[in-house]
Amino acid sequence: DTEVTQTPKHLVMGMTNKKSLKCEQHMGHRAMYWYKQKAKKPPELMFVYSYEKLSINESVPSRFSPECPNSSLLNLHLHALQPEDSALYLCASSQATGELFFGEGSRLTVL
Amino acid sequence: GEDVEQSLFLSVREGDSSVINCTYTDSSSTYLYWYKQEPGAGLQLLTYIFSNMDMKQDQRLTVLLNKKDKHLSLRIADTQTGDSAIYFCAEKRNDYKLSFGAGTTVTVRA
Repeated sequence: DTEVTQTPKHLVMGMTNKKSLKCEQHMGHRAMYWYKQKAKKPPELMFVYSYEKLSINESVPSRFSPECPNSSLLNLHLHALQPEDSALYLCASSQATGELFFGEGSRLTVL
Repeated sequence: GEDVEQSLFLSVREGDSSVINCTYTDSSSTYLYWYKQEPGAGLQLLTYIFSNMDMKQDQRLTVLLNKKDKHLSLRIADTQTGDSAIYFCAEKRNDYKLSFGAGTTVTVRA
C-alpha cells in the first residue's frame, strides 16, 4: 500500500480562524514532509520530520505550525493565515533516503 | 533561477512518443526522479534512476541519464490522452531535500 492520505481535501478559512490539515501513512516510513504548491508551480518544501523529530524548517512563518504525534501521522496547524497562503498543501513520506510518496493534497483557500 | 530546468510545454499526438527533457546542476545528486501531476491531484512517482545508471525502462517509460552533460530525459511510448499532465523532474541533493524543475505541461491531442 503506497498511500498517503490527507484530510480535508478542501478547506476555506478566514484570516482569524484556526484550522488543521492532517496526513496519515501506513507504509512504515520514518520521514514525513509538508510541501506548499501554488498553481502551475513546483512544490516548495516547508517542513521535514525524521523519526518524529523536526529536522528541516525552510524558514516557514510561525502561522504554520507542524506536529508529528507519531510515526504515521503529521499535522499542520494553521492560524492567522493570509490570502497569499492559499495553495495546495501536499504531504509526503519516505524511507529515510528513498523516494517520496505524495498524498492528493489539501486545497486551502484563505479569505 | 532554478537548479533543475525543464521546457514548459510539450504537445504530442496520441500514439506518438513523448520526450521530456531536464537538466540539473548538482553533480553529487544521487537519485533523479520523474513525477506526474494530473489536474487537482497530488504528485505521482513515475520512475527514478540512480546516478550510476545510464538508462532505465519500465513498460512505456524510458529514462535516459547523461551524467557528463547533467541531462535527464523521460520518453513515453504510445502516448495516450491519460498521459496529459504536468511532469516534474527532481534531483535528490541530500537525505531529505528534492529540487524540482518548473514542470513540463504535456498535452496529448487526438
